[in-house]
Amino acid sequence: AQSVTQLDSQVPVFEEAPVELRCNYSSSVSVYLFWYVQYPNQGLQLLLKYLSGSTLVKGINGFEAEFNKSQTSFHLRKPSVHISDTAEYFCAVSDGWNNAGNMLTFGGGTRLMVKP
Amino acid sequence: EPEVTQTPSHQVTQMGQEVILRCVPISNHLYFYWYRQILGQKVEFLVSFYNNEISEKSEIFDDQFSVERPDGSNFTLKIRSTKLEDSAMYFCASSAPGGGYNEQFFGPGTRLTVL
Repeated sequence: AQSVTQLDSQVPVFEEAPVELRCNYSSSVSVYLFWYVQYPNQGLQLLLKYLSGSTLVKGINGFEAEFNKSQTSFHLRKPSVHISDTAEYFCAVSDGWNNAGNMLTFGGGTRLMVKP
Repeated sequence: EPEVTQTPSHQVTQMGQEVILRCVPISNHLYFYWYRQILGQKVEFLVSFYNNEISEKSEIFDDQFSVERPDGSNFTLKIRSTKLEDSAMYFCASSAPGGGYNEQFFGPGTRLTVL
């Protein structure tokens, strides 16, 4: 069984400061890893994903994440945040793809609060 | 840009009543999903649907739940007799056909409140 832990439920940060949102996962098989963002009153939007290859993944809005297999982590980073990055961020894992689709297992979410 | 839509945005119902949550997936997508998020808790997988049948379901998806694709565009989640603990945000998602992993696109959610 898979599980995802987001260690921080809230992360306050000042505008233009760097931020790291932490995500650790457990799985007995190879995984696909994702970060989703949810803005108020909107659905979940994919920020970035790791399927294979380079462990440093770049996504939209200047975010990036690094897959660390030995530490079973997939932390999300941004060197300089904007007020508009204020949102809920979800880390998710899938144990692969079959012809019938795939289910995502989500972490509890981290609320990023960017202050002016 | 195509998007997944869900109706209603907010549904209030009495315990024991049946509810149907509606979703319109992206038009060329073939894989469909329902997830839910109880307030303050994780987003949880409920069910996946492909080729007009359930392909995977979680322990949450018991006999009180059912899904259907009644026509070429809608994908519905029915809860036959709602319980207080069914109060949650319900998200629909869809993904495209093809080999390998395809991104799941999520709708904005329906907030279900059971009184």
